[in-house]
Amino acid sequence: DQQVKQNSPSLSVQEGRISILNCDYTNSMFDYFLWYKKYPAEGPTFLISISSIKDKNEDGRFTVFLNKSAKHLSLHIVPSQPGDSAVYFCAANTNRDDKIIFGKGTRLHILP
Amino acid sequence: DTAVSQTPKYLVTQMGNDKSIKCEQNLGHDTMYWYKQDSKKFLKIMFSYNNKELIINETVPNRFSPKSPDKAHLNLHINSLELGDSAVYFCASSQASGVPSQYFGPGTRLTVL
Repeated sequence: DQQVKQNSPSLSVQEGRISILNCDYTNSMFDYFLWYKKYPAEGPTFLISISSIKDKNEDGRFTVFLNKSAKHLSLHIVPSQPGDSAVYFCAANTNRDDKIIFGKGTRLHILP
Repeated sequence: DTAVSQTPKYLVTQMGNDKSIKCEQNLGHDTMYWYKQDSKKFLKIMFSYNNKELIINETVPNRFSPKSPDKAHLNLHINSLELGDSAVYFCASSQASGVPSQYFGPGTRLTVL
């Protein structure tokens, strides 16, 4: 049972435009949502997070939006740059334990 | 000065063998983890240790045995390797408090023939 779902396996965006990566979840008890970025042959790197009590968190070019009623979050990258080409994992966690549940990932291609 | 390191990066072995993967973190974190990324690309937690104590054990076969000699190291030993064990194994670490972000190692690609 996938508690965190990323329904788009891949996404292509023109350099300089906005990239929007989507994520849905089923467990309303999640306390934190996180985005990780992964390059080939490397481990995932933490990018940005949002607490379940917030609806937006911004860090430079990266903004995460949380819609709790829809159980949906999205990561916006603007402007998109070539180095943003990677696999992005959406993840979620409850304060009850240390376990982070990951989505399957979305591969983002930034086109020149 | 790598934060979370794993050795080896690649491991190719025959079915039935026993192998170990080592992990070290120099971040001073209290908690360490092992994840498995299978062929379908799902990243799933296997174990977590906090200060050398097992905290999470996600119904992993008992052929997998984590060992934490100290809080900076968490090694993974696998007995009687099977074809289905082929995957990329990631070690990670985190601090006990604050945002639950975890720092991952580069991964070990295990191939069982």
